[in-house]
Amino acid sequence: DADVTQTPRNRITKTGKRIMLECSQTKGHDRMYWYRQDPGLGLRLIYYSFDVKDINKGEISDGYSVSRQAQAKFSLSLESAIPNQTALYFCATSPGGYDRYNEQFFGPGTRLTVL
Amino acid sequence: GESVGLHLPTLSVQEGDNSIINCAYSNSASDYFIWYKQESGKGPQFIIDIRSNMDKRQGQRVTVLLNKTVKHLSLQIAATQPGDSAVYFCAENGDNYGQNFVFGPGTRLSVLP
Repeated sequence: DADVTQTPRNRITKTGKRIMLECSQTKGHDRMYWYRQDPGLGLRLIYYSFDVKDINKGEISDGYSVSRQAQAKFSLSLESAIPNQTALYFCATSPGGYDRYNEQFFGPGTRLTVL
Repeated sequence: GESVGLHLPTLSVQEGDNSIINCAYSNSASDYFIWYKQESGKGPQFIIDIRSNMDKRQGQRVTVLLNKTVKHLSLQIAATQPGDSAVYFCAENGDNYGQNFVFGPGTRLSVLP
């Protein structure tokens, strides 16, 4: 079984709709992240969470919100989707603590298209 | 599968040859770097990492070189195989104490038969 799973894998929606992307992990990691990937650009951080009670905005948080329901679950919501939010979305995890040398483990991604 | 990095630089190499993929990083305070491989339809996958107190690190068929003077990172893949075809990108940890990484846009490696 995959360590980091994302649902759905693909989603097509219309402008103005509310969308939730879900991420679950079995790695036992404290830290979880949401990124988006656009053609020709590097991954950009939307939100991150160091534990269940900790939520932080990333580089491009406008138009998004998150919920950390448990250590293993981190959801990303688009309250009112717009076409420029069409992208590939990745969830990632990493071990906790203040170690600067933690790699991140990524889920398979969710392809979101907003019409 | 999904297609990512549609407008990325592309490196084409013959099967069996060595590949060198380059990355320029931005933050002189970064002291940890990772190379990721992303195949079509999949999430990024860790290949190898290096800390700034090293200038070279070797893995299985891969070598990462770090030149801090010019803020340059490279990934060398020996005896490139068809399964190496993917998008490769580097990430640096910046000066934010592990809060997030800064990712490069990537290079698409195509292995020719």
